[in-house]
Order: sequence, then C-alpha cells, then structure tokens
Amino acid sequence: AQTVTQSQPEMSVQEAETVTLSCTYDTSESDYYLFWYKQPPSRQMILVIRQEAYKQQNATENRFSVNFQKAAKSFSLKISDSQLGDAAMYFCAYRAAGTASKLTFGTGTRLQVTL
Amino acid sequence: EAQVTQNPRYLITVTGKKLTVTCSQNMNHEYMSWYRQDPGLGLRQIYYSMNVEVTDKGDVPEGYKVSRKEKRNFPLILESPSPNQTSLYFCASSLGTGGFYEQFFGPGTRLTVL
Repeated sequence: AQTVTQSQPEMSVQEAETVTLSCTYDTSESDYYLFWYKQPPSRQMILVIRQEAYKQQNATENRFSVNFQKAAKSFSLKISDSQLGDAAMYFCAYRAAGTASKLTFGTGTRLQVTL
Repeated sequence: EAQVTQNPRYLITVTGKKLTVTCSQNMNHEYMSWYRQDPGLGLRQIYYSMNVEVTDKGDVPEGYKVSRKEKRNFPLILESPSPNQTSLYFCASSLGTGGFYEQFFGPGTRLTVL
C-alpha cells in the first residue's frame, strides 16, 4: 500500500523568506502523480502544484516549486517570498496513474507566516 | 461556475439518528469520492464512484453508505452515526478515474455526533 509521510507537523517562516516543506512517500508503482494541497482556515482544499513522476523536470507555479527526487521518493515544496496569505495547512498527496486510483494524503504541515 | 457543493456545511446530531450529506458537481465528472479529515491523520478515503451505479470502498468505509444514481450526485449516508464519526468530510470529483485528472474538492462538512 502507498504511504505518504510528512514529518514536520508545524513550520514557521518570516514574511518574504523561503521555506521548504518535506514529504516522502512509498510506492511500488512506476507511474504516479504527486500533489501539494493548501488548506487555509476556510478549510477549502486548494491544489498548489502537481508533479508527474515520469517528468524529470521539477514543477513550478509562481512562488511555489518542488524538489522531486524519484529514487529517494522525496517530494518537497519550496515557497519563496512567503506571504501572510500562505499561512495554512499543507498536505502532500500521491495518486497512482491507473484507473480507480485514490489520493493518499500525508498528515499535513501547518505553516505559520510571521511578520 | 464549475464547482462541487456539499450540504449541510455544519451538522450537529445525536448518536443513532440517520443523516445524509449531499454532494453535487456540475462538471460532468465521472469520478467522485468521499474523504474524512481528522487531526493528525490527514484525509482518508471513505468511498468512491467511477460512474453511475459503480461504487467501491475506500480505506475507512465502516459505518457509511453511498449511492450514485445520477452522475452529478454522490450522497454520503450515515445510517446510525456514532461519536467516532465526528469529523470534517470532503466530497471530491474528477473528470476521469486516473491520476492524471485533478480532483476538485467541495467546501467540507463539519459533522459532530454527540
């Protein structure tokens, strides 16, 4: 079974600084997708960034980028120029490429952004 | 506006009183799914549906039922709720059933069972 591990329950970053959230996963599949979701206090789940396992290039979305290390099964999220609006719970998630695949989530990292 | 809606958003009930949480999507998505979110556990899948009349269990299906009679609706039924079902529930949908397809989430339903 696939598992996703987020070992940092809480992180803190100063506004305008950079922070990296860690995620590791375990799977026997060769084709899969990895995601980072943001959950602000509104509780809405918002997709931040997605990485396809067969693509070597790391995904980037504006201030958000990932460091995808397939051999190490590591998928960290880097937030640059942190803003107050980035404060949220962040979930790493995995989904196999095949049909009927579910999203498997990590336990989340709560990010605080301070002035 | 393309969206997944859930109702109610908040519900407080008592043990054993049957309830239904509705989920509807207007994107003609094939795949729909229910998750529960608990502190320290992340989100876990309860049930999913690959299309009308096709449903299957996820990781934590005990105490829940679902049905998919129409493509747009996927209600979650708790026939005899218990306090351990107090949780935050999310419905999600995606165009297709594979990992390529982004899952869109509803706004969540906060359920408290006394």
